[in-house]
Amino acid sequence: KNEVEQSPQNLTAQEGEFITINCSYSVGISALHWLQQHPGGGIVSLFMLSSGKKKHGRLIATINIQEKHSSLHITASHPRDSAVYICAVYNAGNMLTFGGGTRLMVKP
Amino acid sequence: NAGVMQNPRHLVRRRGQEARLRCSPMKGHSHVYWYRQLPEEGLKFMVYLQKENIIDESGMPKERFSAEFPKEGPSILRIQQVVRGDSAAYFCASSLTGTDTQYFGPGTRLTVL
Repeated sequence: KNEVEQSPQNLTAQEGEFITINCSYSVGISALHWLQQHPGGGIVSLFMLSSGKKKHGRLIATINIQEKHSSLHITASHPRDSAVYICAVYNAGNMLTFGGGTRLMVKP
Repeated sequence: NAGVMQNPRHLVRRRGQEARLRCSPMKGHSHVYWYRQLPEEGLKFMVYLQKENIIDESGMPKERFSAEFPKEGPSILRIQQVVRGDSAAYFCASSLTGTDTQYFGPGTRLTVL
């Protein structure tokens, strides 16, 4: 079993829909990253959080440390949000352990 | 403030050659991390360096791979005698402290013919 599990693996939405991507982890962590990767492109760090909730534009990330679960929400989704969203956790040391990613496609 | 820089962006090598991948961290960042993304797979940690020191190399293959982060200049990931299985995207990230947000570079896409 992977230490970091994301669901769903693939997600197709219509423009304007509210999107939720989930991340569960099985190890103790100090913080969690949400990352975005466009096809063939680089990786952008969206959020780093260790408790509660963060919001940036149409993106919201929440984390529940007790339940070892985090969610990434996208409100009013747009085709330009189409990308792979990756959850990554800091556990032992300073290296990140990554989930398998959620491939999101938003159709116009 | 320039972001994390990696070069080259694309690198083609024949089997048996050496590959050198460079990473310049964000200004002021002294913590550098290398990650590998094999085709159709997720990202995997390779090595964590601070200036002149390897802090954690638990994700590095035992042979042919080495990394350094000298006092001056970029961090270098070196792969000797490349094989087809080394074909992947190699990402570098940097952070201000060891527990801070990591900022990723654009990656180097290595193709081994």
